Amino acid sequence: KQEVTQIPAALSVPEGENLVLNCSFTDSAIYNLQWFRQDPGKGLTSLLLIQSSQREQTSGRLNASLDKSSGRSTLYIAASQPGDSATYLCAVTHDGGSQGNLIFGKGTKLSVKP
Amino acid sequence: KAGVTQTPRYLIKTRGQQVTLSCSPISGHRSVSWYQQTPGQGLQFLFEYFSETQRNKGNFPGRFSGRQFSNSRSEMNVSTLELGDSALYLCASSLVGQVGSSTNAFFGQGTRLTVV
Repeated sequence: KQEVTQIPAALSVPEGENLVLNCSFTDSAIYNLQWFRQDPGKGLTSLLLIQSSQREQTSGRLNASLDKSSGRSTLYIAASQPGDSATYLCAVTHDGGSQGNLIFGKGTKLSVKP
Repeated sequence: KAGVTQTPRYLIKTRGQQVTLSCSPISGHRSVSWYQQTPGQGLQFLFEYFSETQRNKGNFPGRFSGRQFSNSRSEMNVSTLELGDSALYLCASSLVGQVGSSTNAFFGQGTRLTVV
């Protein structure tokens, strides 16, 4: 059974710092991995999607990497801002499964202090 | 283009009642999935509908059911509500043709259900 783990559960950093969020999964037979952001009481916003054949994806200050063989992904946030404060979730789609069936980690709650 | 719309945003129900939640996907998206989010369990997959057929189902009791209409709109029903059903219910839509195709999932704002 696929399990997704995110460490740390919470992180507080001063504004301007570069940071890395970690995601690990137990079954390397994934089709893709997606990073989401969730603001309190709100839905999820997709940040980056990495297909299993890719090693990384970039969008603005965000860079996500994927090492499928070791079951790990990282989300790098450069020059963090208070507006980046949110919970970040990673989710995988099982190889051969449906994009509609995402398996989520429990998230990392990020707080960026001004 | 309009996003995923979930109604209502908030609901308060009494234990034993039933509830129906609605989700309108992004225009052109044929896959709709439902998730339950609680502080203890995080986000858990309930079921996925594609072209009016349930394609996948998570590990939830039969009290949880859903359906999808020909316009891709979906409803989720929970019968005989329990206190533990209190959660944020999220709907996601994606532009999925076949199983294994890789596209982003877009989420609605969710319905906050409180069972008292």
